[in-house]
Amino acid sequence: EVQLVQSGPEVKKPGESLKISCKGSVNSFTTHWIGWVRQMPGKGLEWMGSIYPDDSDTLDSPSFQGQVTISADKSISTAYLQWSSLKASDTAMYYCARSDGYNFDHWGQGTLVTVSS
Amino acid sequence: EIVLTQSPGTLSLSPGERATLSCRASQSVGSSYLAWFQQKPGQAPRLLISGASSRATGIPDRFSGSGSGTDFTLTITRLEPEDFAVYYCQQYGGSPRYTFGQGTKLEIK
Repeated sequence: EVQLVQSGPEVKKPGESLKISCKGSVNSFTTHWIGWVRQMPGKGLEWMGSIYPDDSDTLDSPSFQGQVTISADKSISTAYLQWSSLKASDTAMYYCARSDGYNFDHWGQGTLVTVSS
Repeated sequence: EIVLTQSPGTLSLSPGERATLSCRASQSVGSSYLAWFQQKPGQAPRLLISGASSRATGIPDRFSGSGSGTDFTLTITRLEPEDFAVYYCQQYGGSPRYTFGQGTKLEIK
């Protein structure tokens, strides 16, 4: 069974850095694209970007380019989403999701990031 | 950028009724590249329909998808209490690579 397990909730101050993770349960993790999706409080879903863990090739959403860094460590079947300087507007639930090619067919449980002074 | 517009924003129905949710794209979307998701409060989204009309594994047959080009529909026949949730359509392949509709909230009347 495919499982994506995300790191726990985070509370940070504006200007701080953060790296959250998404660990896959099966070997096929490295040969599927992993996407990151933001959901701000009470709002819809926004695709941020995706990574192919086997070679770390990335696809970026123009809306998030330069705002976050997506990376992966295939040796431990883990993808990451990173901020160098958080803003209050980064407060949201962040999901990782595996793509079967076109669709996000398996999702992590979400990581809630709260940025507040 | 391909924009997906879902309607209605909120749909109020009773268990046992039929729900029809619409997703309209600003540009033509390949049928293989249109999906529907269900999201319940406090949960991650769940893939319902891929390729515009193919049910994902484990999805009951009361859920069906149809459409092509710029107009797509998710139909839920005989609503069950557990079907009341928010539904999103999503396209793949445009620019940006993935976009989601703003969602339709299906609520109990």
